[in-house]
Amino acid sequence: NAGVTQTPKFQVLKTGQSMTLQCAQDMNHEYMSWYRQDPGMGLRLIHYSVGAGITDQGEVPNGYNVSRSTTEDFPLRLLSAAPSQTSVYFCASTQGARGYTFGSGTRLTVV
Amino acid sequence: KNQVEQSPQSLIILEGKNCTLQCNYTVSPFSNLRWYKQDTGRGPVSLTIMTFSENTKSNGRYTATLDADTKQSSLHITASQLSDSASYICVVIRHNAGNMLTFGGGTRLMVKP
Repeated sequence: NAGVTQTPKFQVLKTGQSMTLQCAQDMNHEYMSWYRQDPGMGLRLIHYSVGAGITDQGEVPNGYNVSRSTTEDFPLRLLSAAPSQTSVYFCASTQGARGYTFGSGTRLTVV
Repeated sequence: KNQVEQSPQSLIILEGKNCTLQCNYTVSPFSNLRWYKQDTGRGPVSLTIMTFSENTKSNGRYTATLDADTKQSSLHITASQLSDSASYICVVIRHNAGNMLTFGGGTRLMVKP
């Protein structure tokens, strides 16, 4: 099925650990982005990419790294996990003026 | 500051009733406004996309309105169903801002039998 695939769906980390959240899309979309969703707040942009090899920071980039080596994949790396990074993470992609397609999310808990 | 405010934060209605969700924004310059439905534990799914020149757009039982002068939008749900229980998120995209979205906090709707 076409769409945005995120893995894992759930993850528990200890403070200081690192990990990579995976995001892949098979729609040949140029634009991909990562958001975090916290209770009572709207989704906030972490990083985005307008194409392979091009990334930029969003609203809340600290503590996260991204890379875009291919059009399909846009992984999000947590360098040293902190409890403040406990959240639900969504990856999304779009092409031009079309609507965004969101992944089903990764629920991350940092203890 | 570019913001999107939604009201109410939560709403409970009986199955079959209608309801209207509100969205006020200060995002500028405006490109388009989108309403998303987010089921619990799932990613947001697009309901409508409205540009500056569009006043009303429907998608089945969902009707979105936009007043670009007052910077207000509403989402009207007709003859609600239990499956309408979800969060509804208003999203505004700034013109010439690299596809950046500004999300509202959402309205959590619960439809009871």
